[in-house]
Amino acid sequence: QKEVEQNSGPLSVPEGAIASLNCTYSDRVSQSFFWYRQYSGKSPELIMSIYSNGDKEDGRFTAQLNKASQYVSLLIRDSQPSDSATYLCAVNGISGTYKYIFGTGTRLKVLA
Amino acid sequence: DVKVTQSSRYLVKRTGEKVFLECVQDMDHENMFWYRQDPGLGLRLIYFSYDVKMKEKGDIPEGYSVSREKKERFSLILESASTNQTSMYLCASSRQGAYEQYFGPGTRLTVT
Repeated sequence: QKEVEQNSGPLSVPEGAIASLNCTYSDRVSQSFFWYRQYSGKSPELIMSIYSNGDKEDGRFTAQLNKASQYVSLLIRDSQPSDSATYLCAVNGISGTYKYIFGTGTRLKVLA
Repeated sequence: DVKVTQSSRYLVKRTGEKVFLECVQDMDHENMFWYRQDPGLGLRLIYFSYDVKMKEKGDIPEGYSVSREKKERFSLILESASTNQTSMYLCASSRQGAYEQYFGPGTRLTVT
């Protein structure tokens, strides 16, 4: 079992819809969780961080964390074609270290 | 505004050459990281450093070494470049603890 798992996609949503991206992780002691956006040929850009159970909202983005289910998600409201990118989930604190583990990413396509 | 810079965006080297990749951050972060990113394999940690002159091996340290003589600068060295080291190299930094990582723009290295 991979430590951090994401569906590779592509996930296609129409412009204006809600895009829902999911991530599961294997280690219950993980402390912190991050979502990055990566455009083709560019480096990852931090979108959201979340440290405690529940929802965290920032503009059109909402991160949701459920530690009991070992699940973190990212919702993008009013999706725009410019949101088309690969979204990476990252988890820190696996196995008691400060090592960051990245999923392989979900490719999102927002159709105009 | 957070800033991580890398010495080159694109680099072409010959097999057997010694290659230096430089990374500088201006956020006074304790932790610095080197990753490589390959299609289908995601981000893989090569080395990280949690303090000046301190380093730890990541998942794929073979063929690489690092140097951190000053807090703001972390260098990755390919002792004798090989074609299987052709990749996108990403530097990142973070505060001490399980906090957000910020990435540089990346160096696309081609070894011929």
